[in-house]
Amino acid sequence: QSVLTQPPSVSGAPGQRVTISCTGSSSNIGAGYDVHWYHQLPGTAPKLLMYGKNNRPSGVPDRFSGSKSGTSASLAITGLQAEDEADYYCQSYDSSLSGVFGTGTKVTVL
Amino acid sequence: QVQLQESGPGLVKPSQTLSLTCTVSGGSISSGGYYWSWIRQHPGKGLEWIGYIYYSGSTYYNPSLKSRVTISVDTSKNQFSLKLSSVTAADTAVYYCARGLGGATGWFDPWGQGTLVTVSS
Repeated sequence: QSVLTQPPSVSGAPGQRVTISCTGSSSNIGAGYDVHWYHQLPGTAPKLLMYGKNNRPSGVPDRFSGSKSGTSASLAITGLQAEDEADYYCQSYDSSLSGVFGTGTKVTVL
Repeated sequence: QVQLQESGPGLVKPSQTLSLTCTVSGGSISSGGYYWSWIRQHPGKGLEWIGYIYYSGSTYYNPSLKSRVTISVDTSKNQFSLKLSSVTAADTAVYYCARGLGGATGWFDPWGQGTLVTVSS
């Protein structure tokens, strides 16, 4: 039961910029909790992409960036590459004392 | 480099208890500051947080699963475990274990490879 809403899919040509939105509520993102992002290739486990206030784990290129405003957050991918084709999930915390994930977005590189 | 590996039965009968273990290597499960977590993914669907256990033994569960979930830790084996009781077909999913960082509101890294558990008679 996903509490955070993401668009089912986004697409772009190589080199373009795409953004993925993550919409929550006043009990999670709007309450000030950080939003974290993961990507998942088919048949594999999710991998951390962004955490905290726009931090990237070692090895994640700076083509990925995150932002947050009000009850929503966004992940931007600039200079889209074929290897970016994957499912992307946002994650935060809810005041109901629960970790919460987004519904997931499939990124397609045209 | 910390690695996690899930293990347990891939098939569980309805009404029985699902039991999985996560073995942590490359680091001590007793290290402070980490929330050892379980997350699941229904086939073709999104991710659902199940719960986590802090190194001190404190547990936090998803309210929607709380009545059926128990997470425990065995520091001598560097493992933590998940038990989900009274399972139904709706509990069929890939179950992941992961290390939680940044506090109870933080992120998960790394993740185990995941194990598919099917609930069927």
